Amino acid sequence: QQQVKQSPQSLIVQKGGISIINCAYENTAFDYFPWYQQFPGKGPALLIAIRPDVSEKKEGRFTISFNKSAKQFSLHIMDSQPGDSATYFCAARVPTLGRLYFGRGTQLTVWP
Amino acid sequence: GAGVSQSPSNKVTEKGKDVELRCDPISGHTALYWYRQRLGQGLEFLIYFQGNSAPDKSGLPSDRFSAERTGESVSTLTIQRTQQEDSAVYLCASSPPGSLGYGYTFGSGTRLTVV
Repeated sequence: QQQVKQSPQSLIVQKGGISIINCAYENTAFDYFPWYQQFPGKGPALLIAIRPDVSEKKEGRFTISFNKSAKQFSLHIMDSQPGDSATYFCAARVPTLGRLYFGRGTQLTVWP
Repeated sequence: GAGVSQSPSNKVTEKGKDVELRCDPISGHTALYWYRQRLGQGLEFLIYFQGNSAPDKSGLPSDRFSAERTGESVSTLTIQRTQQEDSAVYLCASSPPGSLGYGYTFGSGTRLTVV
């Protein structure tokens, strides 16, 4: 059973546009929600993360929006650039288990 | 080292052979994780080592898979009698003491192809 459900599977956005990737979860024990970015041939790298006591976190062009009541969170990439083309994974942590559950990933393509 | 190092970067093996994949975590990182990434799929948890505690093996898909870690250093993931469905990228990550899932740093992975 997929603990973290991610959509869409793929996304094509024009340069300068906004990319939005959504994730949903059921387990209310999750207490930490990171997003990872993966380029071809590389391992995923931490991009931005949020805790459930905050509704939004912004770092540069990247923003996480978090809706605790709906058990959903999303990544927004403003002014998307071709260099943002990568696979993005959302994840969630159960603190007692000490590990992350990952979504299936979204392949983002930003074309000029 | 500066990052998580995995070797080999690519491995092609014949069905039925055994393979060993190696992970060198960041020095001082007590937690080490193995994940599997099949083509077009998410990251599938395999096993988690935390210091000297018993490892969490709950993600290993079959008894053909095993992993060891010596202290807080190198880990090896062994797949016996490989099958074609084992073809995937195997990713290793490590994180600092007390992080409990924060601050994963991933290696670049080992791409395993079973022919």
